[in-house]
Amino acid sequence: GDSVTQMEGPVTLSEEAFLTINCTYTATGYPSLFWYVQYPGEGLQLLLKATKADDKGSNKGFEATYRKETTSFHLEKGSVQVSDSAVYFCALLYNQGGKLIFGQGTELSVKP
Amino acid sequence: ETGVTQSPTHLIKTRGQQVTLRCSSQSGHNTVSWYQQALGQGPQFIFQYYREEENGRGNFPPRFSGLQFPNYSSELNVNALELDDSALYLCASSQSGNQETQYFGPGTRLLVL
Repeated sequence: GDSVTQMEGPVTLSEEAFLTINCTYTATGYPSLFWYVQYPGEGLQLLLKATKADDKGSNKGFEATYRKETTSFHLEKGSVQVSDSAVYFCALLYNQGGKLIFGQGTELSVKP
Repeated sequence: ETGVTQSPTHLIKTRGQQVTLRCSSQSGHNTVSWYQQALGQGPQFIFQYYREEENGRGNFPPRFSGLQFPNYSSELNVNALELDDSALYLCASSQSGNQETQYFGPGTRLLVL
């Protein structure tokens, strides 16, 4: 069945370091891909999305490119801040039924 | 424009009891999805409601049921609670035809003892 796999956390970085969180997916068709962020004690917020191959989603300095050939959607940021500390979830969606399929999440901790 | 709200924020129940969780969708949204997020895991899709009917269901037993009301708000009911039902329950609202934009509420944290 369809699934999403993320790199295991926690990921600990110093402020201004470069961030990569790996995400790969298994899908029978051509889903849309998402990154959501969850801050402590809160629900999920959509960070960025890409709806077709080679699309790049970007928001708040984060970006990810939909790579069909490698079935990947890795999240990157050039310079992380302490305020980026959160859990990041990669997800896929087929438009029919609205069912989001999430990875297990990757916790990011940024130290000053 | 009001966001997605959920109530209660926290709840403690014992095994065998029943629970009802509530969700008010974002203004203008007619579809509500429910997810269960166990500690340290990603959310798992429970079901979705559109026009007051279930419109897709994940791998959850029938003791998980729901309702959607004419104002598009929704309830999640869980009967015969088990310890493994302890989790954060999230609802997400969206507009039919635009499922790629789902707005999540803050969640209800349920503890089953």
